[in-house]
Amino acid sequence: GEDVEQSLFLSVREGDSSVINCTYTDSSSTYLYWYKQEPGAGLQLLTYIFSNMDMKQDQRLTVLLNKKDKHLSLRIADTQTGDSAIYFCAALPPGGATNKLIFGTGTLLAVQP
Amino acid sequence: GAGVSQTPSNKVTEKGKYVELRCDPISGHTALYWYRQSLGQGPEFLIYFQGTGAADDSGLPNDRFFAVRPEGSVSTLKIQRTERGDSAVYLCASSLVQRGEYNEQFFGPGTRLTVL
Repeated sequence: GEDVEQSLFLSVREGDSSVINCTYTDSSSTYLYWYKQEPGAGLQLLTYIFSNMDMKQDQRLTVLLNKKDKHLSLRIADTQTGDSAIYFCAALPPGGATNKLIFGTGTLLAVQP
Repeated sequence: GAGVSQTPSNKVTEKGKYVELRCDPISGHTALYWYRQSLGQGPEFLIYFQGTGAADDSGLPNDRFFAVRPEGSVSTLKIQRTERGDSAVYLCASSLVQRGEYNEQFFGPGTRLTVL
C-alpha cells in the first residue's frame, strides 16, 4: 500500500523561504495534500494538488510535484512565526470505495524571529 | 458555521475499561472518517462512513474497536477493554463529496485518550 515519508524537522529564520519535502510510494495516488497542525487545533488543509499537475501556487504557498520521483514539496515564501507548526503530507490512493488519506509522519517547522 | 466537534476533548481511563468517543460532523457532510494519531506520528486511518454505513473499516486495529453512525450524522467510536497502547489522539473528519472528487476532509480538534 501507499507509504508517505517526510523529514522530521526544519528550522528557518523569519522572512526566509521554507521548503518541506515529502516522498510517497504509490505513483497512482490521485490527490496529494498538505495539512497544517498547530498545538491544540485540528488539522487544517493548506493546499492540494491533483496528480496530473506539476505545480500549484496559492499566495505564499507553492506546491511542486515530481511524479517520476514521487516527490512532493511545499514552499512557504516569507515565512512568519505564525507558520510554526507541524506540516503533514497526505496522499489519496486510487481504487476502492474509500477516501482514506495516508499521512506522513509530519515535519515540525520552527520559525526563529 | 460550526466545524467538526469532538467530545470529550480529553479522556483518562484505566486499562480494561470501556470508552466512547463522539464526533459531530459538519451539517450536511455525508462522509465521516476516524483517524488515530499516536505521539510523533501522522494520523492513521481507522474507519470511513458514507451515510450510516461503514464503507471501509480496514483500519480498525482489532475487534475491541467499533464505530457507529446510526442516523448518518453523529458518530461514536467505541473501544472495549482498553489497553495502554490505545493511548492516542482520536481524530474525526467529515467531507461533502465522495471519491473521484477533490476531497477536503475537515478535521475536528480530536479526543486525547490516555489509558493508565
